[in-house]
Amino acid sequence: GENVEQHPSTLSVQEGDSAVIKCTYSDSASNYFPWYKQELGKRPQLIIDIRSNVGEKKDQRIAVTLNKTAKHFSLHITETQPEDSAVYFCAASSPAGSSNTGKLIFGQGTTLQVKP
Amino acid sequence: DGGITQSPKYLFRKEGQNVTLSCEQNLNHDAMYWYRQDPGQGLRLIYYSQIVNDFQKGDIAEGYSVSREKKESFPLTVTSAQKNPTAFYLCASSPAQGQDQPQHFGDGTRLSIL
Repeated sequence: GENVEQHPSTLSVQEGDSAVIKCTYSDSASNYFPWYKQELGKRPQLIIDIRSNVGEKKDQRIAVTLNKTAKHFSLHITETQPEDSAVYFCAASSPAGSSNTGKLIFGQGTTLQVKP
Repeated sequence: DGGITQSPKYLFRKEGQNVTLSCEQNLNHDAMYWYRQDPGQGLRLIYYSQIVNDFQKGDIAEGYSVSREKKESFPLTVTSAQKNPTAFYLCASSPAQGQDQPQHFGDGTRLSIL
């Protein structure tokens, strides 16, 4: 079945710097890749997602890139702010009818700390 | 994501006791999911349901049971067979499974052993 690896597990940056989190997936049929942000004790919230028919998507300070050949995708946060501090999860999903029947498989999470 | 309500927010279980976590959604979503989250780990799928009266086991279903009698509701029972139930439990829903739609999460229930 699908396996998603996420790196790094922790990331510390200075305010204003960029942060990059990388994920790799194993199932070449995966076609949907969301990113979630989870603040301490709260629900995961979708921040951006990308589908396999595009290579890059941007929303203000957040961007996601997808390399289908290498089976990896990355989250880029520019001009980081202290409120960006949270745990970030990547996930991958395959279409219904594949071995994963459309389930989201999550990475292990990255704890991002933005120092003022 | 105010359309998914989990209750209670905190729950304590005694030895040998079954407890039920509630999840209700008013988003008219077909698919619903239960995840377990332990510190330092990602979200692990317990059970999921694509349609009323149907559900499938996820990766860590042992010691848990679910029902899906109504589209809006997907309760999770943590049975006495689950020997290490202490965790943060998250319920989610999506319009339909396998159609590249994001999942929306509830606020979670934190379960502890007394």
